[in-house]
Amino acid sequence: AQTVTQSQPEMSVQEAETVTLSCTYDTSESNYYLFWYKQPPSRQMILVIRQEAYKQQNATENRFSVNFQKAAKSFSLKISDSQLGDTAMYFCAFMRSTSGTYKYIFGTGTRLKVLA
Amino acid sequence: GAVVSQHPSWVICKSGTSVKIECRSLDFQATTMFWYRQFPKQSLMLMATSNEGSKATYEQGVEKDKFLINHASLTLSTLTVTSAHPEDSSFYICSARGGGEIGNQPQHFGDGTRLSIL
Repeated sequence: AQTVTQSQPEMSVQEAETVTLSCTYDTSESNYYLFWYKQPPSRQMILVIRQEAYKQQNATENRFSVNFQKAAKSFSLKISDSQLGDTAMYFCAFMRSTSGTYKYIFGTGTRLKVLA
Repeated sequence: GAVVSQHPSWVICKSGTSVKIECRSLDFQATTMFWYRQFPKQSLMLMATSNEGSKATYEQGVEKDKFLINHASLTLSTLTVTSAHPEDSSFYICSARGGGEIGNQPQHFGDGTRLSIL
């Protein structure tokens, strides 16, 4: 069974500094997709970044980048130049296929607080 | 692009009534829609998956007769909480995904509905 683990329930970072959120997963599949979503206090789920497992190059989106280690089944999110608006719950998600339908498995989340 | 509208955003109703929540994809055709439930400070729990024109597939432990899901068109899915009770109070979120290569089609989420049953 696939599982997604986020081992850091809460983290804090000073504004303008860099923070890394960890995510590990377990799967026997060779091709899959990984995502990071952000859920601010408004509770809207916002896609931050995604990674295809068959791509060795780490995905980047402006200040957000991932460190994808396929052999280690690790998918960490790095936020550079942290801003107050980055304060949110961050969920790592693994997309799997069940009977032909692709579904997310979410981690338990990491609550990130950016300090002024 | 890829906007999902969910309505209502907040509903309070008496125990025993039924509540309908709508989820619409505004600028794309949603071949698959998902309904999640989220308890405070917890992750999203998938309740069911629906494909347009087909019956929804419910996750283990989710009562089909309690949570009725209809996906009648490529842009609209509804979740009806029947005979709601206080334990059904929660935050419900829908998401939608269009067709095409799966990796290029992440799920897009609505803003959620806060349901409070008195």
